[in-house]
Amino acid sequence: EAAVTQSPRNKVTVTGGNVTLSCRQTNSHNYMYWYRQDTGHGLRLIHYSYGAGNLQIGDVPDGYKATRTTQEDFFLLLELASPSQTSLYFCASSRLGGRDEQYFGPGTRLTVL
Amino acid sequence: AQKVTQTQTSISVVEKTTVTMDCVYETRDSSYFLFWYKQTASGEIVFLIRQDSYKKENATVGHYSLNFQKPKSSIGLIITATQIEDSAVYFCAMRVYNYAQGLTFGLGTRVSVFP
Repeated sequence: EAAVTQSPRNKVTVTGGNVTLSCRQTNSHNYMYWYRQDTGHGLRLIHYSYGAGNLQIGDVPDGYKATRTTQEDFFLLLELASPSQTSLYFCASSRLGGRDEQYFGPGTRLTVL
Repeated sequence: AQKVTQTQTSISVVEKTTVTMDCVYETRDSSYFLFWYKQTASGEIVFLIRQDSYKKENATVGHYSLNFQKPKSSIGLIITATQIEDSAVYFCAMRVYNYAQGLTFGLGTRVSVFP
């Protein structure tokens, strides 16, 4: 079974702060995704990637950058954090797109004060 | 753009009975994939079952099965012989065939299983 890990698990920062969320998957999956989960909005796609160096824009990309440095590692960057980015962030991976299921990490709870 | 709607916000059932939850979706694409995920109280999100739009037979995995009604754009999840540990939030999601995108999720249905 795919293993997806995220760090940190909890993060508190202040408005305007710089935050990097990390995700690593160890099953050689090609696709990786960043989602945010908010009450009333469910899970929404921020960015995704289908290989090292590749980046695709998701549905709610504003205020976020991402970088896929290797097949295993995908980072989400908040360069000027705002309170509206307080959320639960999930990373996921899948072997391919299409019908392949996604495997989710445990989530990172981010609070922007 | 795709849209997924789960109208039931919460359902309570007695252990060992069957629970059914609804999901309707919108897409202009003729080929797509529908998924159900479960989020436990600890926050873990786990894949449960998938339905390919081009398959007429309903998918079944363990005590999970689907009621796929393509003309109604509906994909219901059925859990038989429920157990206490089935208490969770269940999400319906979709991805269209030619779109290497992430998933579009519904808002989820919270299921509580009582003894």
